[in-house]
Amino acid sequence: KQEVTQIPAALSVPEGENLVLNCSFTDSAIYNLQWFRQDPGKGLTSLLLIQSSQREQTSGRLNASLDKSSGRSTLYIAASQPGDSATYLCARTNYGGSQGNLIFGKGTKLSVKP
Amino acid sequence: DAGVIQSPRHEVTEMGQEVTLRCKPISGHDYLFWYRQTMMRGLELLIYFNNNVPIDDSGMPEDRFSAKMPNASFSTLKIQPSEPRDSAVYFCASSSSTSNEQFFGPGTRLTVL
Repeated sequence: KQEVTQIPAALSVPEGENLVLNCSFTDSAIYNLQWFRQDPGKGLTSLLLIQSSQREQTSGRLNASLDKSSGRSTLYIAASQPGDSATYLCARTNYGGSQGNLIFGKGTKLSVKP
Repeated sequence: DAGVIQSPRHEVTEMGQEVTLRCKPISGHDYLFWYRQTMMRGLELLIYFNNNVPIDDSGMPEDRFSAKMPNASFSTLKIQPSEPRDSAVYFCASSSSTSNEQFFGPGTRLTVL
């Protein structure tokens, strides 16, 4: 069974700290890896998409990397702010199609303390 | 663009009633996805469409669930009859075959009493 694991389930850091969120998957037959943010009671906001041929993507203070051989992706958040507090989800699509099922991890709930 | 639009945002119904959830994807997107989110199971794909045609419905829990996409700008997810275990947040997402990035709607929070 293909699984996506995110550790830790929850993380609390002081404002200004740089942090890394981890995502691992059980097999390397991955096509795309997408990171989302979910605020309480809200929908998912797409943060970064790493396509099959890419190894990383950057947007502002966010950097996501993908290492298929080790089955890992990381989301790096620089200079964290209280507004970054949310649940961060990673999701993969499978090799063999440009679209299809996004398989999600359970998320990491991030709390950035002022 | 207004993004993916879902209605209603909240639905409370009694067991046995029919529930219809609606979704309008982003204009120009040719893929549409229905997901369900619960505390226990997280986010799970129910069904997805490409150019209005259902491609994979293996995530639909049982025959009580059905989904349609009559045109490129509208889709419905119907539950008949509803049961308390169907209580969850249902998300619709859409994407374009040129970018692969999925964009989610705000979700419908369904409570079945």
